[in-house]
Order: sequence, then C-alpha cells, then structure tokens
Amino acid sequence: NAGVTQTPKFRILKIGQSMTLQCTQDMNHNYMYWYRQDPGMGLKLIYYSVGAGITDKGEVPNGYNVSRSTTEDFPLRLELAAPSQTSVYFCASSLVGGRDQPQHFGDGTRLSIL
Amino acid sequence: GDSVTQMEGPVTLSEEAFLTINCTYTATGYPSLFWYVQYPGEGLQLLLKATKADDKGSNKGFEATYRKETTSFHLEKGSVQVSDSAVYFCALKEGFQKLVFGTGTRLLVSP
Repeated sequence: NAGVTQTPKFRILKIGQSMTLQCTQDMNHNYMYWYRQDPGMGLKLIYYSVGAGITDKGEVPNGYNVSRSTTEDFPLRLELAAPSQTSVYFCASSLVGGRDQPQHFGDGTRLSIL
Repeated sequence: GDSVTQMEGPVTLSEEAFLTINCTYTATGYPSLFWYVQYPGEGLQLLLKATKADDKGSNKGFEATYRKETTSFHLEKGSVQVSDSAVYFCALKEGFQKLVFGTGTRLLVSP
C-alpha cells in the first residue's frame, strides 16, 4: 500500500550541481504533479503530466525539467541548482484530472542549495 | 486568477476546545473545495472535500460546508485533540490541472 513514493527525503546540493528527484506511484494513476512548498506559503505547481509521454508547465517551471516515460514514474530534474530552489518538493498523483478528483501526495523531498 | 485565503496562524487551543479555521476563495468558475492536513515531516493528506454548493464534507470529526454565496469553506471540529496538531491547507480545483492552495494554518493543541 505504498501510494506515492519520493526519494531522497533530504538532500544538500552545492550551487551549480544537478540532481534528479524521484517519484513513483503504484496506484495506476494517469495524472502526476510536482509542487514546491516554500516556508509560510502554499504549494506552487512546477510541472504536471496527464499520461506517459505528455508533460506541461505549471506556474513555476523555470530551472526544472521533467519526463514521463512510464505511468508509474515522474522524475524532476534540476540542471543548475540555485539558492532560490531551496524548498520542499512534493509529488502528487490522481486517477483522472476532473475538478472533483483529489490528489494523493508523497512525503516530500527537502532540498537545500548552499 | 483563482486564489484561496486562509486565516493566519498559529491557532493555539486547549484539548477539547472548538476549532474554526476560516477559508475563503476566488474562482472564475465553479470549483471543488478541499481541506488537506500536513503532519510534521509528512506529505499532505486529504481531509475532506465538497464538490457543489451546500455540500458538507466530513472526516475524523472535521466538517466544512461549501458556501457559494459567501465563497467560503470554513473548517470546524467540535472537540480538538493533541493529535490534531498539524498544518491545515484549504484548496480549490477548477479543472484538470492544479490545486490552488492557501498558505496553510498551523494548529497547536495543548493538553
């Protein structure tokens, strides 16, 4: 009964380094999302995917890339880490995309860029 | 654009007190409304939802009613417990894309 699994849970990067945040779900959900949560703020959408091979930008996509080669996996890539990307990152999924469909969240990845 | 406004926290209560966390929204269409809860070190969990006007969502003793006339979705619980201490997020969803979140309200319940 894993749901949405994110790895790693914590990571410290140096400015200019790159890394991939992993997200996988075992619920056979079609839609997947990446959000970032900054202190005292709500969550902001970075990228989302409506199915394998299809991705699109959210509100704050700059500095990130995504891919969706399988239904289960939706990794988020940071190419050149910057201090402004210090945040907590959440992956989420939903079966379909309707207005009444809740999203299921992972436990998050806490990322610090120094 | 769409937005959600929540009361600022922290909200500090004693065990068994009555809880209200205010949430109002602005939307161009007819959204569904959600409350999510985030316990320390964890992700967001769906607490309850309502999809049309006058619907009441409820779960674990929490309730919220979709009030279209006042564009509100206030969260209530009759008797809080220490284990309810968490951050509560109000959110809306109009289409297939994103949830629009409020900034969250931290609840602290003392014994």
